[in-house]
Amino acid sequence: GAVVSQHPSWVICKSGTSVKIECRSLDFQATTMFWYRQFPKQSLMLMATSNEGSKATYEQGVEKDKFLINHASLTLSTLTVTSAHPEDSSFYICSAAGPRGETQYFGPGTRLLVL
Amino acid sequence: AQKVTQAQTEISVVEKEDVTLDCVYETRDTTYYLFWYKQPPSGELVFLIRRNSFDEQNEISGRYSWNFQKSTSSFNFTITASQVVDSAVYFCALGQGGSEKLVFGKGTKLTVNP
Repeated sequence: GAVVSQHPSWVICKSGTSVKIECRSLDFQATTMFWYRQFPKQSLMLMATSNEGSKATYEQGVEKDKFLINHASLTLSTLTVTSAHPEDSSFYICSAAGPRGETQYFGPGTRLLVL
Repeated sequence: AQKVTQAQTEISVVEKEDVTLDCVYETRDTTYYLFWYKQPPSGELVFLIRRNSFDEQNEISGRYSWNFQKSTSSFNFTITASQVVDSAVYFCALGQGGSEKLVFGKGTKLTVNP
């Protein structure tokens, strides 16, 4: 139980395009999901907290107009990187608060490369 | 402010050796959770353990064991008889629970050589 999926796992795009990443809780409902960013050989940096049916809460320094988050259902949250630029290239990981709300379970991550 | 320190950036051992990964945390909260996650080269974070602040009992799961000591604000992780498959980056994290954001340490990269 407590499986989280992400799609796509890899994406390469041209500078200026928008990229949407999906995060799904497969076998449980998640009212809260989180989006992280990880640079090579570094720790995870929380970008935002996504709550079903409400606006996401962004961490300081994260541009909400750049990284659009939608949590439209109890099993799906999406992160859209708008007008992506090479500096947005990174590993994006989502997590979901598990069925009992005590543990975060992570998706497999999405590697984004912006050319 | 909450903080997690993993002082060991990289550790390299030979297979079958025991290895301990250190984690020291800072928080003013009386109720909190501590976590360990494993991140293999594939990138996915794998949940290993959760411990709440009221439970200082050590835990053992197969070759893995955890030592939680509130007196020293530490939550160390020991792998006994390490194996090559244990090679990964291990993260210690602190939070209020699954629905609250986690504060991660910088991670310890463990390499187990055959």
